[in-house]
Amino acid sequence: AQTVTQSQPEMSVQEAETVTLSCTYDTSESDYYLFWYKQPPSRQMILVIRQEAYKQQNATENRFSVNFQKAAKSFSLKISDSQLGDAAMYFCAYRTYNTDKLIFGTGTRLQVFP
Amino acid sequence: DVKVTQSSRYLVKRTGEKVFLECVQDMDHENMFWYRQDPGLGLRLIYFSYDVKMKEKGDIPEGYSVSREKKERFSLILESASTNQTSMYLCASSLGVFGTGEKLFFGSGTQLSVL
Repeated sequence: AQTVTQSQPEMSVQEAETVTLSCTYDTSESDYYLFWYKQPPSRQMILVIRQEAYKQQNATENRFSVNFQKAAKSFSLKISDSQLGDAAMYFCAYRTYNTDKLIFGTGTRLQVFP
Repeated sequence: DVKVTQSSRYLVKRTGEKVFLECVQDMDHENMFWYRQDPGLGLRLIYFSYDVKMKEKGDIPEGYSVSREKKERFSLILESASTNQTSMYLCASSLGVFGTGEKLFFGSGTQLSVL
């Protein structure tokens, strides 16, 4: 069975600095998708970034980028120029190619200090 | 933009009560999901549905059932609520085109307390 592991329950960063959130996963599939979702205090889950496993190029969305290491089954999220509004729970998630079911990690709570 | 609406933001129920959590999406999505979110456990899939009147068990279906009589509405039912079902419940939907890696759209969650 596929699993997603986030080993950092909490992280903190100073405003304008860079922080990296870790995620590893386990699967025997070759085709799949990986996601990072953000959940602010409003509880509304927001998609931050998505990576297709067949793409070698790391996905980037403005200040958010990933380091996707397929062989190591690692999918970390880098947030550059951190802002106070980045404070939230961040969930890493996995999905196989032929289903819409997401498997989530346990989450990392990110605090941003001014 | 897609809207997924959960009927209650907070709900307090007694042990043994039958509880209905309602979820409605407004974009004609095929797929709908119910997740449960607990601190330190992340989100876990309870049930999902790929079509009207169709349902499939997720990872933790025990103690729950679902109903999807109309495409836009997906209900989660706790037949006899217990204290260990105190949790945040999140509904989600997606268009349903396999292989596209499309994102899920989430509701704002229902925080259920069973006393």
